[in-house]
Amino acid sequence: DGGITQSPKYLFRKEGQNVTLSCEQNLNHDAMYWYRQDPGQGLRLIYYSQIVNDFQKGDIAEGYSVSREKKESFPLTVTSAQKNPTAFYLCASSPGGRGETQYFGPGTRLLVL
Amino acid sequence: QQQVKQSPQSLIVQKGGISIINCAYENTAFDYFPWYQQFPGKGPALLIAIRPDVSEKKEGRFTISFNKSAKQFSLHIMDSQPGDSATYFCAASGGSNYQLIWGAGTKLIIKP
Repeated sequence: DGGITQSPKYLFRKEGQNVTLSCEQNLNHDAMYWYRQDPGQGLRLIYYSQIVNDFQKGDIAEGYSVSREKKESFPLTVTSAQKNPTAFYLCASSPGGRGETQYFGPGTRLLVL
Repeated sequence: QQQVKQSPQSLIVQKGGISIINCAYENTAFDYFPWYQQFPGKGPALLIAIRPDVSEKKEGRFTISFNKSAKQFSLHIMDSQPGDSATYFCAASGGSNYQLIWGAGTKLIIKP
């Protein structure tokens, strides 16, 4: 059963805390992406990776960090430097680095306590 | 030049009617134009996509119309149903762009 999984579904962050959002895919896709979606808004690209051990900043990378040590995994860390982290975070993957036909996970909703 | 402009922001259509969402782009190097559908609390899912070598693509009740000279493409939903109520995003990629460039989204409500 192929797909993209994200965990947890809901995540709560305290002030000054770093939190990590998990994204795993078993589609054997090369490229993976992280997007942020605010209520009633579109998708904004945080980071993307076209190949293992390589990643690039998207439009809103400040306050976030990623790693890509395995093809299947692309975790996102929301650091304490991100002052407004409350949002819906979406992970996606695509077969090639071109970004066409992205497949999305179910998302993680991050809330600040 | 990297933007994809989507309109309207929201749309209310009666059941059985035709829903039309429009997108415009500037970058003539774009060569892939997908539409995604997103239900509340879920990730977007690919609905239908088109390349500029054709002017129209139809899948069931969903049709993309593409006008290369005007640099516009649109999604038509025929016989709209309440289950079509969702947010729809257009996107584009191509040329030196390795990522999808996303429209801002259209919230579609189908009234029974």
